Amino acid sequence: RKEVEQDPGPFNVPEGATVAFNCTYSNSASQSFFWYRQDCRKEPKLLMSVYSSGNEDGRFTAQLNRASQYISLLIRDSKLSDSATYLCVVLGDAGGTSYGKLTFGQGTILTVHP
Amino acid sequence: GAVVSQHPSWVICKSGTSVKIECRSLDFQATTMFWYRQFPKQSLMLMATSNEGSKATYEQGVEKDKFLINHASLTLSTLTVTSAHPEDSSFYICSARDFDRDRGRLRSPLHFGNGTRLTVT
Repeated sequence: RKEVEQDPGPFNVPEGATVAFNCTYSNSASQSFFWYRQDCRKEPKLLMSVYSSGNEDGRFTAQLNRASQYISLLIRDSKLSDSATYLCVVLGDAGGTSYGKLTFGQGTILTVHP
Repeated sequence: GAVVSQHPSWVICKSGTSVKIECRSLDFQATTMFWYRQFPKQSLMLMATSNEGSKATYEQGVEKDKFLINHASLTLSTLTVTSAHPEDSSFYICSARDFDRDRGRLRSPLHFGNGTRLTVT
């Protein structure tokens, strides 16, 4: 089983649509979770952290379910500029060689069309 | 502005040559830097963790003699791809985290360099 697994995608949605991405992780001791966005041939950029209570940033809502080891990202009112690859990322803070290590999901491609 | 600078952004080299990629933290001290590799249509895969003043820790399957990592200062880590071959062509990205001395732990989030696209012909 992969350490971090995401929806295979790709997602192709019209402008204004709501789209949700799911992600599961295998290490129950993982402490921190993030969604990153990566545009073609660019480095990943942090979209938002994911907190246990759930958090919202404008049109983006992230949720974490520790019991199910499940993370989600909801994008409302999709814009053309939201087209990118979305990466689910888990941070290992277990100390030792895992300290600060990020594990990335394979990414889900989103294309928003007019 | 960028807090992690990676150089070069792209490089084309002939098979058998070595390529050095630099990663610098611009306004913080990075005791730990990470090197990732991304092949087309795949996610980032951690290659190694670079610790200032000590040997790097390599992930399983990554050849330490082929991918030489040097982290001689708190602001600079280098990755050298030795005797590069076409299968080494990839997008290499470094990342670093600032260390919060008050809390005695690494800060979030992770800062990424802009990546180096290596093409070996």
